[in-house]
Amino acid sequence: AQKITQTQPGMFVQEKEAVTLDCTYDTSDPSYGLFWYKQPSSGEMIFLIYQGSYDQQNATEGRYSLNFQKARKSANLVISASQLGDSAMYFCAMREGLDNTDKLIFGTGTRLQVFP
Amino acid sequence: GAVVSQHPSWVICKSGTSVKIECRSLDFQATTMFWYRQFPKQSLMLMATSNEGSKATYEQGVEKDKFLINHASLTLSTLTVTSAHPEDSSFYICSARGLIKEAFFGQGTRLTVV
Repeated sequence: AQKITQTQPGMFVQEKEAVTLDCTYDTSDPSYGLFWYKQPSSGEMIFLIYQGSYDQQNATEGRYSLNFQKARKSANLVISASQLGDSAMYFCAMREGLDNTDKLIFGTGTRLQVFP
Repeated sequence: GAVVSQHPSWVICKSGTSVKIECRSLDFQATTMFWYRQFPKQSLMLMATSNEGSKATYEQGVEKDKFLINHASLTLSTLTVTSAHPEDSSFYICSARGLIKEAFFGQGTRLTVV
């Protein structure tokens, strides 16, 4: 079974609008972490936001917020006030356990295109 | 955020030769480094996990004799693709983690084997 599922291969959004990128996960481990990364065409992976399974509040980092719904096992990324520079691939990832040596499992990604 | 430097950014090599890719954590000590492979328009697939001073742990299906990983210090890990073939052409990217939740990534290396 897929550990991380991103059902949207591509998304379009107009500049200055908000957009939600979907991510659902599957784990039986009570301790886990959820990550979102941005990958522009240059290839680098840029860390955006992190949510721990025990965190009570949804994570926020500037224009990025994570809509964490634990019971539904979803961790959607919300980008507010989209900018042209937000156009990129976005990957959701999960780490099971809280040990720093645990690996990240990535979803298949969503390509976001922001148009003027 | 923390800085992870990967070198080279791109490399072209002849079939049968070996290529070494370096991953350095510049401003923190990386107790664990991860090596990923990404084919065009696909997700990152973990190849191996390396801890400083010990042998790397390879994911199922990854040939350890072909993809040699060395993590000799807390700031440097290397991936050597031995006897490279065209099917090894891919985007290789490392990530490094210290005593923090996030894993920071290098810029990636685009390998083309001709």
